[in-house]
Order: sequence, then structure tokens, then C-alpha cells
Amino acid sequence: GAVVSQHPSWVICKSGTSVKIECRSLDFQATTMFWYRQFPKQSLMLMATSNEGSKATYEQGVEKDKFLINHASLTLSTLTVTSAHPEDSSFYICSAHPTGSNQPQHFGDGTRLSIL
Amino acid sequence: AQSVAQPEDQVNVAEGNPLTVKCTYSVSGNPYLFWYVQYPNRGLQFLLKYITGDNLVKGSYGFEAEFNKSQTSFHLKKPSALVSDSALYFCAVKGSTLGRLYFGRGTQLTVWP
Repeated sequence: GAVVSQHPSWVICKSGTSVKIECRSLDFQATTMFWYRQFPKQSLMLMATSNEGSKATYEQGVEKDKFLINHASLTLSTLTVTSAHPEDSSFYICSAHPTGSNQPQHFGDGTRLSIL
Repeated sequence: AQSVAQPEDQVNVAEGNPLTVKCTYSVSGNPYLFWYVQYPNRGLQFLLKYITGDNLVKGSYGFEAEFNKSQTSFHLKKPSALVSDSALYFCAVKGSTLGRLYFGRGTQLTVWP
């Protein structure tokens, strides 16, 4: 089945550090990928829609300069949390939407980000 | 606008009993509906989807869901629950833009031995 690989799975770093998270579709091409943030025992909050070869579309209230998204190929999107602070600590999940409008999104296993 | 509602934060069932996790939807146009499951510190796993066709959709791990247009519902069901089914379940509806999904708030299912 379709697999999405998200790396790293866990990051602990100091305040002020920038952290890059990778999301790869391993066996399919994804023109569109999505980045979510999830707080404990809550639903997923869509942060941005990543489109291959073009700028990401950010949801209202999400700082685009804080959360940099790059979708340079049909199988890779990256999220960089710039100058991270403790309030950025969260669980970040990516998903990829295979070509074909009725295909389900496939999710990575998430990245637990802890900023000290 | 597309939205889904999961009215129960928590569902508790005994192992071997049937389970139901409720979901209602609101869409403009035809609904494309999905159920996902999330285990602790993991991403979401796809269980099943309804696009068109039979109202009873069968999915992974013995789960099924019944699409009811008149009640705008898409409840997830399983005839006999397992302890290993304990997880967080999300209902979602697909929006019109680039495959974006709108999620419910999630329902924590606990199956006790």
C-alpha cells in the first residue's frame, strides 16, 4: 500500500534552533502534501497545503515566515520550523494526496518536536 | 462549507461486543467520507472511505461504515471489538480544494478485556 515516510520521528532541541522535517511519498507521486499540527488528545489542525513547484498555501493564523514549506519534487515536502521556541513544541504530521481525486490521503507517522 | 461532527469524545466497550463510533457530516455537493485511526504517537491510518455506491462500506481490520444520506451520517462499526482496537478515531470529509480533508474532533475508543 501507499507509504509516507516522515523524518525525524522525534526532535529535542534548544530554543532558537531551526528544525527541518521531511515528508516523502515512497511509492507514489504527490502533487499535493499537507502539514498538520496536533495538540494532545485533539484533532489535527491544518497548517498549510504544499504544492509541488509552487508556493504553499497557509491557513489563517499560521506564520509563513515561521513555518517554511518547500515542495521541490513530487515525492518530497519539507517543513522548517525557524527559530523554534517552546510554544512550537507539538506533534507535526504530514500527509500526501496521490494523483487521482478520490484517493485517500496517506499520513506519515508524525514528528514529536520538543523545544527546551 | 464542509464539516464533520463526532458527538462523542469517548466510547467504551467490552471486548467481543459490537462497537459504533458516530459521525455526521455537512457538505455542499456529494460527500466523500473517510475514517482514520490513530495510535499513540503515530500518524493516521486509513480505514475506509465512501465515495459512491453501496451504503455499507467495508474497510481494514474488520471495520465497516454505513452511509446514511437522509441522516447525513457515516457511523463506523465493528461487530466484535478487540482490545487492540483501542485508539483515537477520526471521521473526515473531503473538501473541494486539492483534496483537503476536514476532520472531526476525534473519538477515543477504549475496549476493555
